[in-house]
Amino acid sequence: NAGVTQTPKFQVLKTGQSMTLQCAQDMNHNSMYWYRQDPGMGLRLIYYSASEGTTDKGEVPNGYNVSRLNKREFSLRLESAAPSQTSVYFCASTPGEGTYEQYFGPGTRLTVT
Amino acid sequence: KNEVEQSPQNLTAQEGEFITINCSYSVGISALHWLQQHPGGGIVSLFMLSSGKKKHGRLIATINIQEKHSSLHITASHPRDSAVYICAVSTGGSEKLVFGKGTKLTVNP
Repeated sequence: NAGVTQTPKFQVLKTGQSMTLQCAQDMNHNSMYWYRQDPGMGLRLIYYSASEGTTDKGEVPNGYNVSRLNKREFSLRLESAAPSQTSVYFCASTPGEGTYEQYFGPGTRLTVT
Repeated sequence: KNEVEQSPQNLTAQEGEFITINCSYSVGISALHWLQQHPGGGIVSLFMLSSGKKKHGRLIATINIQEKHSSLHITASHPRDSAVYICAVSTGGSEKLVFGKGTKLTVNP
């Protein structure tokens, strides 16, 4: 099993450009999450999905959209990138249904110039 | 005030020392998690506990629900233990986590 995979690993965008970060898990988990990690801030939840077809906002959703098209995949889209979105983005998943252990992807380092 | 506070922020130890990292939280929790983030950036879950104590190899995690406090101990520390250790809590039956800012541990040979 690959666990949680993310693409790309690194990305540089210019202000105003758009892009989609991809995340997939092969553990048949119900819940998936997108976090951002900034120096001195800790991990912060952007969006999460408790099950296929459902999504909810987290702590810092502004400037992002998500899509949970199927149980495996949860994508994060930046419609118009801003320098404040320079960060490391992590996707994670949990089995759900009362099981809380989270499994993290390797992260995507995004720089917006 | 952050809901999850960790101390210390940074910790430097000599190989072989006993390490303690502390985590305090201010909300009712369903579970407390200890995570490890290696210099390469990957994050792995070490422990998830809601009471008592758990042990895995040289790592021990304890939690005191009444005092809203948890500790992560590393016995016989080794340079490969150098990482950021992150405390997180899940609250109110939710799977969503609230994270502390992490403790950066450096173990020198």
